[in-house]
Amino acid sequence: QQQVKQSPQSLIVQKGGISIINCAYENTAFDYFPWYQQFPGKGPALLIAIRPDVSEKKEGRFTISFNKSAKQFSLHIMDSQPGDSATYFCAARTYSGGSNYKLTFGKGTLLTVNP
Amino acid sequence: GAGVSQSPSNKVTEKGKDVELRCDPISGHTALYWYRQRLGQGLEFLIYFQGNSAPDKSGLPSDRFSAERTGESVSTLTIQRTQQEDSAVYLCASRRGQGAYEQYFGPGTRLTVT
Repeated sequence: QQQVKQSPQSLIVQKGGISIINCAYENTAFDYFPWYQQFPGKGPALLIAIRPDVSEKKEGRFTISFNKSAKQFSLHIMDSQPGDSATYFCAARTYSGGSNYKLTFGKGTLLTVNP
Repeated sequence: GAGVSQSPSNKVTEKGKDVELRCDPISGHTALYWYRQRLGQGLEFLIYFQGNSAPDKSGLPSDRFSAERTGESVSTLTIQRTQQEDSAVYLCASRRGQGAYEQYFGPGTRLTVT
């Protein structure tokens, strides 16, 4: 119930191409879906996030598409750049009242953008 | 302002020894999380502190793991009698509190148990 499944495990894209990473979940109680970007030796950093009452959110070259009925969401990176090479994690929030919530993370996707 | 800091950045220890990892959250952040990240894996939730409430320890993998936090300040994660499978990066994150969504992560402590 708490699992978030992420694919692919790794992805190689040419500069200027579109990178697409997919996540699926089972728990319908999840209420917030962030994506994190992690560079080697650094902690993850929030990239973009979406709530389930919208189907798409765009910030610059990054777009989240959300399909509530299919319980799937994806990250699209347009015009991918070598500087986007990093590990990307999707996550889903479980809210347990007050200020209490936890994130369940996917296993990550290692993105390599070739110049 | 200053972000989340963790120390040490790297720790090599012998199997069976105890280790203590430290996290300094962003000032004013009431929520603090510990995660474990094994090589090639996602982030595994360990424990969550929210203000003065009882911590959520549901992610601790065994009784060899414990964590403390005094008020809304520093937290320490202690692993007793370390095992080789404890080798991982241990990440700490803090969050501002009620109504805030974003968790801010520290750089992590890479623990290697030999």
